[in-house]
Amino acid sequence: RKEVEQDPGPFNVPEGATVAFNCTYSNSASQSFFWYRQDCRKEPKLLMSVYSSGNEDGRFTAQLNRASQYISLLIRDSKLSDSATYLCVVNADSNSGYALNFGKGTSLLVTP
Amino acid sequence: GAGVSQSPRYKVAKRGQDVALRCDPISGHVSLFWYQQALGQGPEFLTYFQNEAQLDKSGLPSDRFFAERPEGSVSTLKIQRTQQEDSAVYLCASTQDSLNQPQHFGDGTRLSIL
Repeated sequence: RKEVEQDPGPFNVPEGATVAFNCTYSNSASQSFFWYRQDCRKEPKLLMSVYSSGNEDGRFTAQLNRASQYISLLIRDSKLSDSATYLCVVNADSNSGYALNFGKGTSLLVTP
Repeated sequence: GAGVSQSPRYKVAKRGQDVALRCDPISGHVSLFWYQQALGQGPEFLTYFQNEAQLDKSGLPSDRFFAERPEGSVSTLKIQRTQQEDSAVYLCASTQDSLNQPQHFGDGTRLSIL
């Protein structure tokens, strides 16, 4: 069983829509949580860190529920440029230093 | 440079050949990580360096994979006797220190084994 699970999608939404991605993780000792964005044939890029209290960055809102080991990302007012794969990322256990565990990613396509 | 730099961007090799992939981390970054990303998958951890010390190599898939960072800066990932299943994108990431910091990735090396 993978340590980070995501719905692979694809999510096809029209411009302006609100879309939410969910992710679960198995290691209760995880301390750091991130959402990365990956465009086709490009490297992953940090979208935002996820904090226990929840945090917002413009149209993007991230939530963390430690009790349920669940992370979410909400994108409001979707833009065409939001089309990408969104990777849920959790730090690995101490045996791997602070390496990251990635989900398989959720594919988003925003259409005109 | 401003970011993590990897070379080559693309590498095609015949099965059985040895390959070497290079990573130049962001200047001053202590921690360096290698990941392997197969098509349609998220990146998978390979190995981790803190300065020149390889503190974790638990993700290396076989003893054909070897990584080094002799001076605590540039790192090389070597794959000996390549197999078709080694075809993937190899990503390098660095952080200033390892403690719960987001990692900054290079463009990756896309390796194709024929």
